[in-house]
Amino acid sequence: GQQVMQIPQYQHVQEGEDFTTYCNSSTTLSNIQWYKQRPGGHPVFLIQLVKSGEVKKQKRLTFQFGEAKKNSSLHITATQPTDVGTYFCAGRVGLGNLIFGKGTKLSVKP
Amino acid sequence: GAVVSQHPSWVICKSGTSVKIECRSLDFQATTMFWYRQFPKQSLMLMATSNEGSKATYEQGVEKDKFLINHASLTLSTLTVTSAHPEDSSFYICSAPHQQMNTEAFFGQGTRLTVV
Repeated sequence: GQQVMQIPQYQHVQEGEDFTTYCNSSTTLSNIQWYKQRPGGHPVFLIQLVKSGEVKKQKRLTFQFGEAKKNSSLHITATQPTDVGTYFCAGRVGLGNLIFGKGTKLSVKP
Repeated sequence: GAVVSQHPSWVICKSGTSVKIECRSLDFQATTMFWYRQFPKQSLMLMATSNEGSKATYEQGVEKDKFLINHASLTLSTLTVTSAHPEDSSFYICSAPHQQMNTEAFFGQGTRLTVV
């Protein structure tokens, strides 16, 4: 079946270091979304990417959608303790349901 | 932004009993809602798609008779875990797309179910 692979599963960084999580799909995606789930909370939408090669920024967060629309990345510059949580990508094929990656759990050491 | 309210946020029940979880879209209509299950340190696993006015669509491996879904109105979907067992203990979360299918999913707060 359709899968969205996300790596790494865990990432421990020192405050101030950068962080990147990657998603790969075996199938071309119509769009990809990113969510953040804080410990004990529910996923919260961050952004949606639709166009091939699209790059979007939200303050210290940079989101990229690959040229082939099969991969995506989320990069956080100079991590802060507030960045702690699990980041999920979710891809959609055509008008199908969102398929979530397994998530990357980010911990930040002060 | 759009709000999806899920209730209860946590529940403890005895083995063999049934538990109903509600998911409400508070400020928009949702013809479709999704129910997920999340195990500790794992991702969201889609269980079923709830469709207003028609039967839910279940993912492979999800027991229809075990997890009853009812989408009685454009703002309410319910998931009933019947004859719960300890292995059903998990975090259940619903989501609803707003307006168009390609927009973001708004998640409920989730329900932590513990079966003892």
